[in-house]
Amino acid sequence: ETGVTQSPTHLIKTRGQQVTLRCSSQSGHNTVSWYQQALGQGPQFIFQYYREEENGRGNFPPRFSGLQFPNYSSELNVNALELDDSALYLCASSRGGDDEQYFGPGTRLTVT
Amino acid sequence: GENVEQHPSTLSVQEGDSAVIKCTYSDSASNYFPWYKQELGKGPQLIIDIRSNVGEKKDQRIAVTLNKTAKHFSLHITETQPEDSAVYFCAASMGSNYQLIWGAGTKLIIKP
Repeated sequence: ETGVTQSPTHLIKTRGQQVTLRCSSQSGHNTVSWYQQALGQGPQFIFQYYREEENGRGNFPPRFSGLQFPNYSSELNVNALELDDSALYLCASSRGGDDEQYFGPGTRLTVT
Repeated sequence: GENVEQHPSTLSVQEGDSAVIKCTYSDSASNYFPWYKQELGKGPQLIIDIRSNVGEKKDQRIAVTLNKTAKHFSLHITETQPEDSAVYFCAASMGSNYQLIWGAGTKLIIKP
């Protein structure tokens, strides 16, 4: 186990709704990266937060947003949910942007 | 855009035999290459990684080799065991924030 926790474990939402996913980073880590993993595929980078600032973003629309708090935990917010947003959302924490990334168990989001 | 290709998509080996998974990457600036193991319903688990200043790294039954000129790297698992069955992902870093670009995964099946 990595010490990275995510909540909730599973979530079912309706198209058009908004969702907030949470991640607690491993002790001593100040960087959190979020990934989206569709079924049968590799994870896709959404964005990274380093010391409460966004530090890079992948090819995701602005309705995907995030926050990092002073204790380095993080939130991923998705507005106007679409069916294609159904996926496993993973967060990974690290000691810095160039350090090993350790993943949580993920949040399975289903949009109906 | 930058991408990572991973082969094969499925690999079935006899218990005790060796398994090799290969990846190629497109971004010549990539300098960090982790390998992750993902079991059903779990987040990816870092099993070994290598940086561009090293050609090979070994950890017990697992080894990774890197050829920067050819832009490919490989995972080698020797003396495979039933618990090695999982999906394995390679990844390559991109950008100053080391965002990871992932391969599509290899499903490794260990036959008893």
